Amino acid sequence: SQQGEEDPQALSIQEGENATMNCSYKTSINNLQWYRQNSGRGLVHLILIRSNEREKHSGRLRVTLDTSKKSSSLLITASRAADTASYFCATPPITGANSKLTFGKGITLSVRP
Amino acid sequence: NAGVMQNPRHLVRRRGQEARLRCSPMKGHSHVYWYRQLPEEGLKFMVYLQKENIIDESGMPKERFSAEFPKEGPSILRIQQVVRGDSAAYFCASSPLNKQETQYFGPGTRLLVL
Repeated sequence: SQQGEEDPQALSIQEGENATMNCSYKTSINNLQWYRQNSGRGLVHLILIRSNEREKHSGRLRVTLDTSKKSSSLLITASRAADTASYFCATPPITGANSKLTFGKGITLSVRP
Repeated sequence: NAGVMQNPRHLVRRRGQEARLRCSPMKGHSHVYWYRQLPEEGLKFMVYLQKENIIDESGMPKERFSAEFPKEGPSILRIQQVVRGDSAAYFCASSPLNKQETQYFGPGTRLLVL
């Protein structure tokens, strides 16, 4: 079953606008991570938010976490064409070592110049 | 500090052949993970290795797939007798011993089975 499910599946915005992407998960977590994947490339780690954190910032990125709703959001402010990519949320298992990440299907973000 | 390296970047095989995918983790990283990504899908965990040990292979198909991370050299994901359904992008990631939370991904190997 899908641990992380992102929505919307696809998002198209104009350069300069903000992009908000959501992720829901099913089981308890220690942390939740967001990754970006440019077309045909590997994944780049963007930000990690721990279960005891509610909000975190990194540059133009803002991530929130609501453990009561089992959801997270990624906000990209003042988007640029270079932000065009797929975005994934991922969670490690809560027990044992962080041996594997469970990814959602991803959100395809298109930023129009 | 070079990132995670994977080769080849693209691999074409005919049905029944063997595919060998190589991954060199970042310098100082002792943990390697392999994931598979089918078109329009997220990544699916396959296997987690440390040097000379398979720690978690719960995502590996029971047959034809194997992985190793020898004491010297890169980690190898081996697929025997490939079938068309094996066509996918295979990503390797690594993490250091003292900070396993964040995984650093390589560029992937895109396998096409004809």
